[in-house]
Amino acid sequence: GENVEQHPSTLSVQEGDSAVIKCTYSDSASNYFPWYKQELGKRPQLIIDIRSNVGEKKDQRIAVTLNKTAKHFSLHITETQPEDSAVYFCAASQGGSEKLVFGKGTKLTVNP
Amino acid sequence: DAGITQSPRHKVTETGTPVTLRCHQTENHRYMYWYRQDPGHGLRLIHYSYGVKDTDKGEVSDGYSVSRSKTEDFLLTLESATSSQTSVYFCAISDQKVGVADTQYFGPGTRLTVL
Repeated sequence: GENVEQHPSTLSVQEGDSAVIKCTYSDSASNYFPWYKQELGKRPQLIIDIRSNVGEKKDQRIAVTLNKTAKHFSLHITETQPEDSAVYFCAASQGGSEKLVFGKGTKLTVNP
Repeated sequence: DAGITQSPRHKVTETGTPVTLRCHQTENHRYMYWYRQDPGHGLRLIHYSYGVKDTDKGEVSDGYSVSRSKTEDFLLTLESATSSQTSVYFCAISDQKVGVADTQYFGPGTRLTVL
């Protein structure tokens, strides 16, 4: 089955710096890759997603890149702000199915 | 937030007792999912449903059963709770097409403690 590895597990940056979180997946049939943000005590919420027919997608300060050959995708946050502090999860669809397999999460801390 | 509620939001129970968690949606989405979230493990799929009375197992289904008798409700049952089932449980819904993964929207979660 699908396996999703996420790195780093913790990331601390200064306000205004960029943050990058990377994920690798194992199933070449995976075709959908969402990113979720979870604030403490809250539900995970989708922040951006990408499909396998696209290499990059941007939404204001957030971007996701996908390298299908290498089977990895990354989340890029520019001009970080303290409110970006949260746990971020990547996910990949399992074998082209309706199921998602999640990474174990990255705790991002943005220091003022 | 999508129209998803979970009940109860918090529950403390004892080992060996049955527990049922409820997920209710007002979005008429076809797919519903149950995940558990534990430190260091992220979100792991327990069971999911792709229609009324249509369910399938996820990666951590042992000790859990589900039922879906109406589009809007998806129940998760722990037949005999164990301490290893202490966790935060999230329900999710999706309006995706069959065989095509798409956005999943999560409920507020249920914190279950098994003593």
